Amino acid sequence: DTGVSQDPRHKITKRGQNVTFRCDPISEHNRLYWYRQTLGQGPEFLTYFQNEAQLEKSRLLSDRFSAERPKGSFSTLEIQRTEQGDSAMYLCASSLEVRRVYGYTFGSGTRLTVV
Amino acid sequence: AQSVTQLDSQVPVFEEAPVELRCNYSSSVSVYLFWYVQYPNQGLQLLLKYLSGSTLVKGINGFEAEFNKSQTSFHLRKPSVHISDTAEYFCAVTERYRTQGGSEKLVFGKGTKLTVNP
Repeated sequence: DTGVSQDPRHKITKRGQNVTFRCDPISEHNRLYWYRQTLGQGPEFLTYFQNEAQLEKSRLLSDRFSAERPKGSFSTLEIQRTEQGDSAMYLCASSLEVRRVYGYTFGSGTRLTVV
Repeated sequence: AQSVTQLDSQVPVFEEAPVELRCNYSSSVSVYLFWYVQYPNQGLQLLLKYLSGSTLVKGINGFEAEFNKSQTSFHLRKPSVHISDTAEYFCAVTERYRTQGGSEKLVFGKGTKLTVNP
């Protein structure tokens, strides 16, 4: 169990550029979540996958954002035409759907700075 | 919809002193409750969770929390803090009776920065 891995740890990009983040969950975990955390705030839910199916998306996930989880393994989060307001920490978490087991394992996050 | 209020944005304490971090929640449905800790430039680590049963929940690193349904609170406590407890602490809730296959999405408070001074 190597935990949840996120890559890159830090990303600085110019406004208008596209960026893509990767998350590798714990191998046996079938659920994967993306959250966004801005300065001074708690994490906010963006989207959720069960296996390869994206089952829920927050209204925070504008049409510039897209997330995928091909084959139910790793996931990518892409932001197109980045804006300064996209600067945040993007957190990935995974969990195993076992009855009465709750609580995710979070990765260390990808910190995005849009300049 | 659920919401979480963490009443103190910053809590400074001296080493070996007791600490209480306050959390109140609002929900129209039954919820599960969590406390997470975040060290600088790190992800979140689960400290403890309340699912059912005893309202006093013990977690890692000597922390405990008490669920109070009538006051809709889930305050976090530690009788004696250490310098290494300096971090940001987040209270979170999730819907207890989610639909089958529904996400366990968490609603977080804004966090409380605990600073332990020597």
